[in-house]
Amino acid sequence: DAGITQSPRHKVTETGTPVTLRCHQTENHRYMYWYRQDPGHGLRLIHYSYGVKDTDKGEVSDGYSVSRSKTEDFLLTLESATSSQTSVYFCAISDTNDYNSPLHFGNGTRLTVT
Amino acid sequence: AQSVTQLDSQVPVFEEAPVELRCNYSSSVSVYLFWYVQYPNQGLQLLLKYLSGSTLVKGINGFEAEFNKSQTSFHLRKPSVHISDTAEYFCAVSGFSGGYNKLIFGAGTRLAVHP
Repeated sequence: DAGITQSPRHKVTETGTPVTLRCHQTENHRYMYWYRQDPGHGLRLIHYSYGVKDTDKGEVSDGYSVSRSKTEDFLLTLESATSSQTSVYFCAISDTNDYNSPLHFGNGTRLTVT
Repeated sequence: AQSVTQLDSQVPVFEEAPVELRCNYSSSVSVYLFWYVQYPNQGLQLLLKYLSGSTLVKGINGFEAEFNKSQTSFHLRKPSVHISDTAEYFCAVSGFSGGYNKLIFGAGTRLAVHP
């Protein structure tokens, strides 16, 4: 398995509170991604990073921000959590940006916003 | 724009029976197609991928998929399933959009193998 650690694995939080999810990799891969998984939607890209301090938005980025100060860490922040952000969040990494480059996924963080 | 449709949300099957999980895609450019598997409480793992060449692609755990350009399909098959194949399976198409390698996932098919 690719060395990807997501923390926490589970979190319950209240509406309006800030939440930060962490992704840590030991593979020294350049590209990192945050996805959310919801029933009936598969996985949808929130944000991605193509290097330290280089990030960009994916298809469902509203309400989320990210930061990458080191190659190995990619943080996802919900500034003010809402119930619609209840989901399972997956971090993924890849070593190239080629079309044929598969992604390697972490085990996910299950977030519940009450 | 690219999209992926997985035609079945759930597929129940008995152990040792064959199974086919259906995936259709749409794309205006050359496609690269993937199947990922997700076991309970885990992340996604790459099962197989089609990049070019032979239209029949073999993956891990005895799975294979056939790329059919005329029908824009990439169905996943296994001739004899095991209980341990119970998982959710995602079809995905890759393309370059907005400066990054964009992987578009289908909604997933939950395979339930019964004894």
